[in-house]
Amino acid sequence: AQKVTQAQTEISVVEKEDVTLDCVYETRDTTYYLFWYKQPPSGELVFLIRRNSFDEQNEISGRYSWNFQKSTSSFNFTITASQVVDSAVYFCALSGNYGNNRLAFGKGNQVVVIP
Amino acid sequence: DAGITQSPRHKVTETGTPVTLRCHQTENHRYMYWYRQDPGHGLRLIHYSYGVKDTDKGEVSDGYSVSRSKTEDFLLTLESATSSQTSVYFCAISESETDTQYFGPGTRLTVL
Repeated sequence: AQKVTQAQTEISVVEKEDVTLDCVYETRDTTYYLFWYKQPPSGELVFLIRRNSFDEQNEISGRYSWNFQKSTSSFNFTITASQVVDSAVYFCALSGNYGNNRLAFGKGNQVVVIP
Repeated sequence: DAGITQSPRHKVTETGTPVTLRCHQTENHRYMYWYRQDPGHGLRLIHYSYGVKDTDKGEVSDGYSVSRSKTEDFLLTLESATSSQTSVYFCAISESETDTQYFGPGTRLTVL
């Protein structure tokens, strides 16, 4: 079974500080996919990134970056120079390969950016 | 943004009444999903569909049924709503079973 753990429930940072969200996953699949979604206070779920298990390259998109390490089963997300608009709940999710494609979500990290 | 709408967006109903939530997509994606979101649980899969008339259960399917008679519509029915089904319900779509799932705006359901 797939499992995702996001240990930090709520994280408060002052604007312009960096914040890192930890995501640890468990799976028996050799091919799997990892995701991050953002849920702002308005409630919608916004897709941020998808990463295949065979691609360990880190990724940067503007102020967002992701660090994927298969050796520690982690897919961490860093927001650099946080802004008030980054205040949201962030979910890490995992799906397996064919026949095991159900998306398993972590419980989310509530990020509060204080101006 | 993926073309996904959900209706109604908010609903208040009483215990024991039937409720149907609708998800409509304009992307012609094969896969559609229903999730519920509750505090402390993240999102949990209720049912999903991999084609017209093809559906399967998720991890929290008890008390729910689904139907998909057209590619663009996926209906979630609570035959007899209970207070434990008070939740926010999200629909999602994906092109294939391993592709990214894109979510609709959600429906907030309150069962009194």
